[in-house]
Amino acid sequence: DAGVIQSPRHEVTEMGQEVTLRCKPISGHDYLFWYRQTMMRGLELLIYFNNNVPIDDSGMPEDRFSAKMPNASFSTLKIQPSEPRDSAVYFCASRPTPPGLHGYTFGSGTRLTVV
Amino acid sequence: AQSVTQLGSHVSVSEGALVLLRCNYSSSVPPYLFWYVQYPNQGLQLLLKYTSAATLVKGINGFEAEFKKSETSFHLTKPSAHMSDAAEYFCAVSNSGGYQKVTFGIGTKLQVIP
Repeated sequence: DAGVIQSPRHEVTEMGQEVTLRCKPISGHDYLFWYRQTMMRGLELLIYFNNNVPIDDSGMPEDRFSAKMPNASFSTLKIQPSEPRDSAVYFCASRPTPPGLHGYTFGSGTRLTVV
Repeated sequence: AQSVTQLGSHVSVSEGALVLLRCNYSSSVPPYLFWYVQYPNQGLQLLLKYTSAATLVKGINGFEAEFKKSETSFHLTKPSAHMSDAAEYFCAVSNSGGYQKVTFGIGTKLQVIP
């Protein structure tokens, strides 16, 4: 299994531009999570899906952030317009039901820099 | 509400010495507790988890953690540090058996000195 695949690995964009981060979860995992990691705040849960349906988006910082999961093998996190304070590493994670021995499986992350 | 507090954002140990990374939790219900490790430029990997079975939990790479309800602690230990243990370690808590919402600590960077 290739694990959770995120793209791009690095993204540098100018303030005001739209940014789209992509995630392919592990096949058969019915939960998908988006996290943001910063030095100041650590790992924050932004949103999670179950069977492609958004369950809890209370962690999404503001309306500039949106996430979709059109099918079981693909999810996007979009920031429009982007701001310098959005600079962070964004992780996608997935897990099956029941959770199993390994808990969440995280992708390698997307390092976003907004200048 | 649930939370974890990791004491010490940076810990340095000599190779071969005991590793002790501290974590205290707060949860309104019996918690599920985890330790994750993150190597540079990688995602988090599960080291071990406590799910109300044995209070001493053994994980991968020789790590273990003990759940102490009286102290609301879940400290991570390893008897002898190896250079390859240098990484960032995250304690995490969930109050749901399905781990739908896992709250992570701020992380502790472990440095191993040769």
